[in-house]
Amino acid sequence: RKEVEQDPGPFNVPEGATVAFNCTYSNSASQSFFWYRQDCRKEPKLLMSVYSSGNEDGRFTAQLNRASQYISLLIRDSKLSDSATYLCVVLAGNNRKLIWGLGTSLAVNP
Amino acid sequence: NAGVTQTPKFQVLKTGQSMTLQCAQDMNHNSMYWYRQDPGMGLRLIYYSASEGTTDKGEVPNGYNVSRLNKREFSLRLESAAPSQTSVYFCAGAGGATGETQYFGPGTRLLVL
Repeated sequence: RKEVEQDPGPFNVPEGATVAFNCTYSNSASQSFFWYRQDCRKEPKLLMSVYSSGNEDGRFTAQLNRASQYISLLIRDSKLSDSATYLCVVLAGNNRKLIWGLGTSLAVNP
Repeated sequence: NAGVTQTPKFQVLKTGQSMTLQCAQDMNHNSMYWYRQDPGMGLRLIYYSASEGTTDKGEVPNGYNVSRLNKREFSLRLESAAPSQTSVYFCAGAGGATGETQYFGPGTRLLVL
C-alpha cells in the first residue's frame, strides 16, 4: 500500500457544483496534513492545512478522519479557476518526513 | 519579497554534461529542499537542508549533489547528466506558523538528451 493515496481523476464538474476528494494515508503516527494546489506547469502552493476538528476557508472545507486514516477536501460552488491538481501531503513518522500524494486532477467546466 | 527563486527556468543538456541549479529564498527559512516531479511519480525529495551548514539525502539522491551556501541559497548540481534526470526540479523553503508549510520556487525544466 502506498503511504499516501489519491484518486488521480480527472474529476470533471460543471461550474457551481460541489466536489469532494479523499486521500488515504498508511502511517497511523502521521502528525500533520495539508492540501496543496498545483496549476498546470506551475509550482505547488499551500491551499490549507487540515486540523483534527476540521476547518473551513471560504468555499473549501478540509476534514481529518484518524480512525479511518483519510483526509478530505470539499469544494463548494466550483469556479473555473478551481481547475488544478490537488495534492495531499502528510507529515509522518519520528523523522517528520513529508509524504506527497500524486494528486487529484479537477476540471471545472463552463 | 521575491519568495523562492530558481534559475534557470529551462535547460537542455547533453548526456554527460554538468550543471548547477540555483535556488535562493528571502523568507528567512531554515529548511530548504530540492524535489523532482515526473509524470506518474509525483514529487520526490532529492536532498534537503535542515539548517545552514547541513544537508541530508532524500528519497532519490543518486546523481546529485547539493550545497547550502548560506541561509538564503541552496544549489543542486548534476555532475554528469543522464536522460533519466529529465524532469521538473522544484526548490522549496519551509516556514509558516508550524515551520511545515513548503514554499516552492517556480521550477526548472530540464531536458537531458
